Amino acid sequence: DSGVTQTPKHLITATGQRVTLRCSPRSGDLSVYWYQQSLDQGLQFLIQYYNGEERAKGNILERFSAQQFPDLHSELNLSSLELGDSALYFCASSRAPSEKLFFGSGTQLSVL
Amino acid sequence: QQQVKQSPQSLIVQKGGISIINCAYENTAFDYFPWYQQFPGKGPALLIAIRPDVSEKKEGRFTISFNKSAKQFSLHIMDSQPGDSATYFCAASGMNQGAQKLVFGQGTRLTINP
Repeated sequence: DSGVTQTPKHLITATGQRVTLRCSPRSGDLSVYWYQQSLDQGLQFLIQYYNGEERAKGNILERFSAQQFPDLHSELNLSSLELGDSALYFCASSRAPSEKLFFGSGTQLSVL
Repeated sequence: QQQVKQSPQSLIVQKGGISIINCAYENTAFDYFPWYQQFPGKGPALLIAIRPDVSEKKEGRFTISFNKSAKQFSLHIMDSQPGDSATYFCAASGMNQGAQKLVFGQGTRLTINP
């Protein structure tokens, strides 16, 4: 167990809908990262937060947004969902941006 | 230039054999090269990592070999065991203003036959 908690584990929704994925980092970790894993694109970096502030953006669509709250948990919001958004979404955390990442078990999103 | 190319896509090795997975990168700004192991239904877990100031790092049965001039690095698993059967990802990143963006290879599905 990495200590990173993601909820829900599975999410099934329809095209056009909006969903929120939640992540609780390991105790003491200030940095949170979101990654998307799909069969065709592999593991893709989406966004990084450090102590509530956005630090880096990757291949994150404009329909997606994220934030890190004062208690350090993070949420990834996906809106106007398309079939192609179906993927496994991972959250990871680290004590500082330069330190190793610990991944959660992911949220499997299925858009029907 | 942000890609990390990983090969092979899949690998079958007999128990006790050596498993070798290779990766190549292009961005010379990368300065951190980790390998992750992922089991079905789980997130990637850090196995071993190397920085470009050394050419080799060993932890137990796992060794990273790093060739800076060729921009290649590889994972060797000695005395491979059925429990090593998993998907392995190489990755690379460079620290830039407190941002760590890992670029992952496409993964190698390793099967160790008993």
